[in-house]
Amino acid sequence: GAVVSQHPSWVICKSGTSVKIECRSLDFQATTMFWYRQFPKQSLMLMATSNEGSKATYEQGVEKDKFLINHASLTLSTLTVTSAHPEDSSFYICSADPGNQPQHFGDGTRLSIL
Amino acid sequence: AQRVTQPEKLLSVFKGAPVELKCNYSYSGSPELFWYVQYSRQRLQLLLRHISRESIKGFTADLNKGETSFHLKKPFAQEEDSAMYYCALFRDSGGSNYKLTFGKGTLLTVNP
Repeated sequence: GAVVSQHPSWVICKSGTSVKIECRSLDFQATTMFWYRQFPKQSLMLMATSNEGSKATYEQGVEKDKFLINHASLTLSTLTVTSAHPEDSSFYICSADPGNQPQHFGDGTRLSIL
Repeated sequence: AQRVTQPEKLLSVFKGAPVELKCNYSYSGSPELFWYVQYSRQRLQLLLRHISRESIKGFTADLNKGETSFHLKKPFAQEEDSAMYYCALFRDSGGSNYKLTFGKGTLLTVNP
């Protein structure tokens, strides 16, 4: 079945560091990928929609300069958390749309900012 | 605005008992609803979608537009059903403008 690979699965870094998370669709092309964030005991919240070859669409309240999204190819989208701070610590999940099917999800990335 | 409500954070049943995970939604358009499941240490995966009206792993869910509900049911729970379950509503506003909104999830524990 369709597989989405997300890397890294866990990252710990110092405050002020920028962190890049990759999301790859391994056996299908995805013109659209999505980035979600999940705080403890809360629901998955859509952060942004990543469209290949164009700018990402951010949800209300999500800082586009803070969370940089690049979707340079049909199989790869990246989320860069710039100048990360402890409040950015969260679980980030990507998903990819194979077209005419429900989204397929990555395993998620646990980001811990010290 | 679209909203998905799962009123139970935790649900615990015994093996062989019926189980129902509740989901209510708020959406002005024609909804497309899903149930996703996340087993321990595994990725989120699709369990079922209302338009396919299929039964997966013994689970069924019927869309009730009058009650704006999409409850997930299984007549006889198994221990391997223990997982986190998310109800989700999909909105397609045309083109690339679409969005999947999740409920907060219900942690189901099936006891032996």
